[in-house]
This record gives sequence, structure tokens and C-alpha cells, in this order.
Amino acid sequence: DAKTTQPTSMDCAEGRAANLPCNHSTISGNEYVYWYRQIHSQGPQYIIHGLKNNETNEMASLIITEDRKSSTLILPHATLRDTAVYYCIVRVGGNTGKLIFGQGTTLQVKP
Amino acid sequence: SQTIHQWPATLVQPVGSPLSLECTVEGTSNPNLYWYRQAAGRGLQLLFYSVGIGQISSEVPQNLSASRPQDRQFILSSKKLLLSDSGFYLCAWSTKGQGGDTQYFGPGTRLTVL
Repeated sequence: DAKTTQPTSMDCAEGRAANLPCNHSTISGNEYVYWYRQIHSQGPQYIIHGLKNNETNEMASLIITEDRKSSTLILPHATLRDTAVYYCIVRVGGNTGKLIFGQGTTLQVKP
Repeated sequence: SQTIHQWPATLVQPVGSPLSLECTVEGTSNPNLYWYRQAAGRGLQLLFYSVGIGQISSEVPQNLSASRPQDRQFILSSKKLLLSDSGFYLCAWSTKGQGGDTQYFGPGTRLTVL
């Protein structure tokens, strides 16, 4: 699975959009981009994933660049409950095996 | 909808004691099941995964073992706990298919070995 690079930490004002970037310059054509988050003392929570096209669900939007070398997770209206560590993971579809969680981005939503 | 349960939520055990953590999934059939461990301030480490009843793959050699006696039940065990077994144990499940392998995690069991 390709390596990802994320900023260590970010702040966001409550009610504003949080844009979390991820670089995955060595991504292969059959690798998906996944986003999870982990709120303190809880299990990781799946947010969204995509292959080529931009994706949106009730939690967030995922924007993948045309060359697929980077992506951005967008939380449209961040709340204090969105404070968590956000992980960007790249892996082959249908691959049974471990998810490799890097250091992630610690997002602090401030009032 | 699918739900994953883990128990107990927290556990404090003495060194050398046995361990049994249970994970069950509801609302799906024939899932892939996973056990991860997260040490304090560290990333997740995959311990075991299972693609079916009685089928267990081990990722890391250790004094832990896993079993899958039923389709939606996954058990993590140890005969004698070590101090290094302390951590946050997470069970996860996923469906089988080529369109991405989304893993969904349970609430976790926090184990402290004293």
C-alpha cells in the first residue's frame, strides 16, 4: 500500500469548513483513498473513501486530484465533536489485511 | 444496519492470568473479522484476521491467539498475560468484495496488565 503524508496538526474554528490534506504521490491505479478518524479513547471511525471521483456522504466530502497524487477531506461545518485524529490511508481494493494507520492529523476544533 | 460489539469495555488483569475478549457482529453474514491492538500513543497493529469460521491468520507472533467459533463471533485469548499485552484492543469487520475493503471498528477493550 502506498505511503501517505499528512500535516501533524491543524486548527479549525467551530462552524467553519475543515480541509485536511493528504499526499499520496506513489498511489497505484487500483488503490483507494480511505479516511478514518479516532476520537480520544474510541475505536477508529470510517469516514469516506474513493478511487478517482470526488465523493460525498453525510459526514464529509473527499476531493481527489486528477493525477490522484493528493486528496483533501472536507468537513463542511466543523463542530467541537469533530476534534480527533484523522487518518488518510491508501490501499488496494478488496485487500483483506491490515489497515496501516500513520501518524494522522490531529484536528482541534475551537469555539 | 450492522453493529459490532466488544466486551468487556475495560479490564485489569494480573500478569500470568488468562484472557478472553469477545467480539460479535450483527446485521451481516460471512464478514472478514480483525483484531488490532493500539499501545498507548501508538498506531494500530493488526494481530489476527479471519475470512471464515475456523480460519485465522496471524500477523504478529506473540502469546495471543484468536478463534472464530461462529460466523459473527471472534475471540482473542491468552493463557498467560504479559505486561506488554496492555493496550487498547479493537475488533473490526468488513464485507468481502473488490470495491474497496472498508473496515468498521468496534468500541474497543482497554486492557491493563499489572
